[in-house]
Amino acid sequence: DAGVIQSPRHEVTEMGQEVTLRCKPISGHDYLFWYRQTMMRGLELLIYFNNNVPIDDSGMPEDRFSAKMPNASFSTLKIQPSEPRDSAVYFCASSPGQNFYGYTFGSGTRLTVV
Amino acid sequence: GNSVTQMEGPVTLSEEAFLTINCTYTATGYPSLFWYVQYPGEGLQLLLKATKADDKGSNKGFEATYRKETTSFHLEKGSVQVSDSAVYFCALIMNTGFQKLVFGTGTRLLVSP
Repeated sequence: DAGVIQSPRHEVTEMGQEVTLRCKPISGHDYLFWYRQTMMRGLELLIYFNNNVPIDDSGMPEDRFSAKMPNASFSTLKIQPSEPRDSAVYFCASSPGQNFYGYTFGSGTRLTVV
Repeated sequence: GNSVTQMEGPVTLSEEAFLTINCTYTATGYPSLFWYVQYPGEGLQLLLKATKADDKGSNKGFEATYRKETTSFHLEKGSVQVSDSAVYFCALIMNTGFQKLVFGTGTRLLVSP
């Protein structure tokens, strides 16, 4: 398996623009997670899905952020409009649901909003 | 709630030194415990894990033993290399039903030649 695949690896955008981050989880993993990592706040869980259904979005910082999972092999995290304070590394992770497996993380998308 | 506490970093060592990164946890019950490693510019990778008391997880020369009495899961390596420079995260997950991973804040390790 190729692991969790995220795209793009790097994104630079201007303030006010829409940004879409993409994630392909490991086949057969029923859970998908979106995290944000910054120096100031560390690793934050934004939202997670089970069988394509959003279960907990309490970590989504504000209405400018939205996430979808239209099928088992694809998820998006969208920021509209983007702001400089959204600059961070965004990680996607997936899990088969048995807790002792832990999560498998993608390589992340480094977002810079100027 | 459940939580993980890690020692503050950075931890700075010379090559071939002995490494210990402390991790303690608070949990209502008996969780599974994990160490993840994040190399510069990369995502988190599972380094090792232990699912019950007295289990020892090991990988790439790193070890950690699940100590229920002291609620600890300290990471150790006998001889570090420059390539071990990374951020190390301790984490726990409860074993009843589906639960979310709870991460510590991470400890940065810097190994110099």
